Amino acid sequence: GAGVSQSPRYKVAKRGQDVALRCDPISGHVSLFWYQQALGQGPEFLTYFQNEAQLDKSGLPSDRFFAERPEGSVSTLKIQRTQQEDSAVYLCASSFTGVDGYTFGSGTRLTVV
Amino acid sequence: TQLLEQSPQFLSIQEGENLTVYCNSSSVFSSLQWYRQEPGEGPVLLVTVVTGGEVKKLKRLTFQFGDARKDSSLHITAAQPGDTGLYLCAGLGGSNYKLTFGKGTLLTVNP
Repeated sequence: GAGVSQSPRYKVAKRGQDVALRCDPISGHVSLFWYQQALGQGPEFLTYFQNEAQLDKSGLPSDRFFAERPEGSVSTLKIQRTQQEDSAVYLCASSFTGVDGYTFGSGTRLTVV
Repeated sequence: TQLLEQSPQFLSIQEGENLTVYCNSSSVFSSLQWYRQEPGEGPVLLVTVVTGGEVKKLKRLTFQFGDARKDSSLHITAAQPGDTGLYLCAGLGGSNYKLTFGKGTLLTVNP
């Protein structure tokens, strides 16, 4: 596609519910990233894929967070047993290599009530 | 941990004014990127600077990378309402993929 597509755009979850956020990167982009952006803050790194391999998951806040990219294209970020502190915008980005600029999606705004 | 401090945090100016925002760190970055983010959207890349002392111009925007590659500035000439948004700097450090973002400067240009 022409850009990075994320769905859903908005998600309201009850505390304790599991959620799955989808990212469809630009076709051919090898690198895929997930970032978390809290209100009034800059994005913070969560995890990095190169093709289907998850090379860095050091930013995932807890073991309730899990990301996958099984075929090296579409990626899913799953959050189990959501908590209020998980409320944030989750941004996906892709790039052809890791060192050039990222192209970000519009994000998924998750609100946990 | 590499940190990027951006200043000012908020800036509200009138159309036609000039402004500069700053991005500072105690760490050296291999490159630094500037993004602009509008409400409800993801950040959009404006520029990447790689060489210490590098200056890049993008229409009315001038970006500078410090000689020591620890800091950067963004200067906007004759600001317009369309420049309104959150300006984020982001540095590539030891890894060649992980961007560290500052908290951003929220710019409002009033007509």
